[in-house]
Amino acid sequence: QQQVKQSPQSLIVQKGGISIINCAYENTAFDYFPWYQQFPGKGPALLIAIRPDVSEKKEGRFTISFNKSAKQFSLHIMDSQPGDSATYFCAASKSSNDYKLSFGAGTTVTVRA
Amino acid sequence: DADVTQTPRNRITKTGKRIMLECSQTKGHDRMYWYRQDPGLGLRLIYYSFDVKDINKGEISDGYSVSRQAQAKFSLSLESAIPNQTALYFCATSDFLGNEQFFGPGTRLTVL
Repeated sequence: QQQVKQSPQSLIVQKGGISIINCAYENTAFDYFPWYQQFPGKGPALLIAIRPDVSEKKEGRFTISFNKSAKQFSLHIMDSQPGDSATYFCAASKSSNDYKLSFGAGTTVTVRA
Repeated sequence: DADVTQTPRNRITKTGKRIMLECSQTKGHDRMYWYRQDPGLGLRLIYYSFDVKDINKGEISDGYSVSRQAQAKFSLSLESAIPNQTALYFCATSDFLGNEQFFGPGTRLTVL
């Protein structure tokens, strides 16, 4: 039973468009929410992360929006580029549980030129 | 990431065989993890180790065992492989803070 539910499973966006991936969780003890990016044939790598004391975090074209009351968080990829084509995983963890990560199922993003 | 290496990268084996997957890291991290990745299920934690003397089961440890031979080495064993253990396996490391994990390139395992 996955503790973090991620949608959609896949999405296709045109170059320059916005990609949006959504995640939801139930465990209110989670206090760290990272996103990992995985290219084909590679291991996942940390992309961006947020803690629940802020509602938004932006790094370049990537933004996490966090809604604590709804127990939801999302990744927005602005001005999507072909090089952003990858699988994205949201995750959640508890600092009290040594940051063991619970991952979502993943979203495969394809950016068409 | 060359800092975390996994061997072999690909392996095909038969049901009932014992197989070992190896992970080495040069990041100097104490914490190491083994995950399996399946389509539609994301990554699931098999075992983790916070130091050489500390090994813990993850959410799907049945059918697997691990050995932490040194700070830099963490091996995953399948004592008697079965077809539903066909998956992509990743090793990861983190420092004592634990909030960023660094993944190896993965091992694709096929059990026939």
